[in-house]
Amino acid sequence: DADVTQTPRNRITKTGKRIMLECSQTKGHDRMYWYRQDPGLGLRLIYYSFDVKDINKGEISDGYSVSRQAQAKFSLSLESAIPNQTALYFCATSGGRGANTGELFFGEGSRLTVL
Amino acid sequence: QKEVEQNSGPLSVPEGAIASLNCTYSDRGSQSFFWYRQYSGKSPELIMSIYSNGDQEDGRFTAQLNKASQYVSLLIRDSQPSDSATYLCAGVNTGGFKTIFGAGTRLFVKA
Repeated sequence: DADVTQTPRNRITKTGKRIMLECSQTKGHDRMYWYRQDPGLGLRLIYYSFDVKDINKGEISDGYSVSRQAQAKFSLSLESAIPNQTALYFCATSGGRGANTGELFFGEGSRLTVL
Repeated sequence: QKEVEQNSGPLSVPEGAIASLNCTYSDRGSQSFFWYRQYSGKSPELIMSIYSNGDQEDGRFTAQLNKASQYVSLLIRDSQPSDSATYLCAGVNTGGFKTIFGAGTRLFVKA
């Protein structure tokens, strides 16, 4: 089983619908991140969390919200999806003794299409 | 200007050659840099980390950092077709809270 698990892996939805992408991890890491990936733009940080009570906006947080339900769970919500939120979304973790913030472990990705 | 810039490529090299991938960054306070490899349809995977000026070698991979020039590079020696992937350069921002990625360079290694 993957250490960082994302659900759903693929989702097609319509404009205006609420969508939640979920991420769970078994690595025991404190830090969790949501990135989106678009062709030609690379990975852009949406939100990050260093523990259950710590949530921070990234580069492109508008239109998104997150919830850190437990150390191992970090979900991303699109309250009212729009077509330009069509992208590949990755959850990532970092942490562990002596680990650098930049040493990230990624989930398998969630491909979201908004029609 | 993006905080981390890469040439999108594609970069094409013959099997056995040295592939050279480059990256520049704008945050002078960044101290830590990383190279991730991403195969088509897969998630990024960390392959190299570098924290100080100079070279860091791991097998066929060498990462190079020049903080004065704000430049990071990755050399892949004896390139193999299995090295064909997109390579993402990343840096941790001043303060160490966020990892910022470049757009990636696509590498093709021709057999």
